[in-house]
Amino acid sequence: KQEVTQIPAALSVPEGENLVLNCSFTDSAIYNLQWFRQDPGKGLTSLLLIQSSQREQTSGRLNASLDKSSGRSTLYIAASQPGDSATYLCAVTSGYSTLTFGKGTMLLVSP
Amino acid sequence: EAGVTQFPSHSVIEKGQTVTLRCDPISGHDNLYWYRRVMGKEIKFLLHFVKESKQDESGMPNNRFLAERTGGTYSTLKVQPAELEDSGVYFCASSRQLASTDTQYFGPGTRLTVL
Repeated sequence: KQEVTQIPAALSVPEGENLVLNCSFTDSAIYNLQWFRQDPGKGLTSLLLIQSSQREQTSGRLNASLDKSSGRSTLYIAASQPGDSATYLCAVTSGYSTLTFGKGTMLLVSP
Repeated sequence: EAGVTQFPSHSVIEKGQTVTLRCDPISGHDNLYWYRRVMGKEIKFLLHFVKESKQDESGMPNNRFLAERTGGTYSTLKVQPAELEDSGVYFCASSRQLASTDTQYFGPGTRLTVL
């Protein structure tokens, strides 16, 4: 049974810092890994999707890496801004169509 | 392009009552998924429709939950009778292709509180 763990559970940083969020999964047989963002009271917004054959994906100030063999992914946020404050969720697709989520990392970027 | 919409946004009911949640996927998305997040836990998969057919319902907790997608458009999730442990946020998502290759687009969720 696939399990996804995210560390840390919460993170508070001052504006401008670079930061790394971590995600690990127990079964390396995945199709892809996604990072989502969730704002309070809102749905999930997909940030980056990394296929199992890829090592990383970049979008603006975000960079996600994937090491499938070790069951790890990191989300790197450069030059953090208060608008980056949200909960970040990692999810893997290891079955036919379903996502397995971690509990998320709650990020607070203070001005 | 309109996103995934869910109705209602909040629902408060008493134990033993019935509640029906609705999800309208993005137009043209054959794949529709239901997920649930209970307090303090991770988001968990409930079931997956391809058009009007249930592709995978392995995550449905018990037979008090009934999901339908008549005509392959919107979907409903009925809980009857509701129990206290059913409280949580129910998310719907849709995608054009399967999750193995395509991003799922999530709705804002329905927060269900069972008293």
